[in-house]
Amino acid sequence: GQNIDQPTEMTATEGAIVQINCTYQTSGFNGLFWYQQHAGEAPTFLSYNVLDGLEEKGRFSSFLSRSKGYSYLLLKELQMKDSASYLCAVRDGNYQLIWGAGTKLIIKP
Amino acid sequence: GAVVSQHPSWVICKSGTSVKIECRSLDFQATTMFWYRQFPKQSLMLMATSNEGSKATYEQGVEKDKFLINHASLTLSTLTVTSAHPEDSSFYICSASTTKGTGNQPQHFGDGTRLSIL
Repeated sequence: GQNIDQPTEMTATEGAIVQINCTYQTSGFNGLFWYQQHAGEAPTFLSYNVLDGLEEKGRFSSFLSRSKGYSYLLLKELQMKDSASYLCAVRDGNYQLIWGAGTKLIIKP
Repeated sequence: GAVVSQHPSWVICKSGTSVKIECRSLDFQATTMFWYRQFPKQSLMLMATSNEGSKATYEQGVEKDKFLINHASLTLSTLTVTSAHPEDSSFYICSASTTKGTGNQPQHFGDGTRLSIL
């Protein structure tokens, strides 16, 4: 079966750096997305990786290793507003988007 | 850019009522629209995928007669929950894409509809 694993919850301190990992096992691979979802709101797109390596976008960076079935989202200079759930989603060989359960990130002052 | 509007944002109604939710792409043409439901503290569950002008593709376990989807134009898709019951209470979210799920185009999400059936 297809599976995406990410930690359920993480806690970090304002101003610090946090890395949220995502491992996946899918039938084929056509890209990986990271989304941010605040409580009670819809997800918003953060990043897309289809080739190995690091994609940087401001305070957020996303890394992909296809051979390891692994990605991470790196958040720098954490702000209180970064408290949210972060969803990893993989597009499989049939271009179906498979969603992880999300990682709830709690930022403490 | 890439704004998706979903309406209504909150519905409370009696059991047996049918509820229609609209999803509009405001500044782009959405080749494909997706409907999800999400229970508290759980991930998104894809219900169906709809392409403009064709019948929606429903995920396994989703009753097509219960959840009617119409994608009449490149900017509008509707989900109708027919004869809703308390177990249908959930957070329903639509998303839209300019491609049929291929390429690097992300899905852009509406703000969601919180449906409560009494």
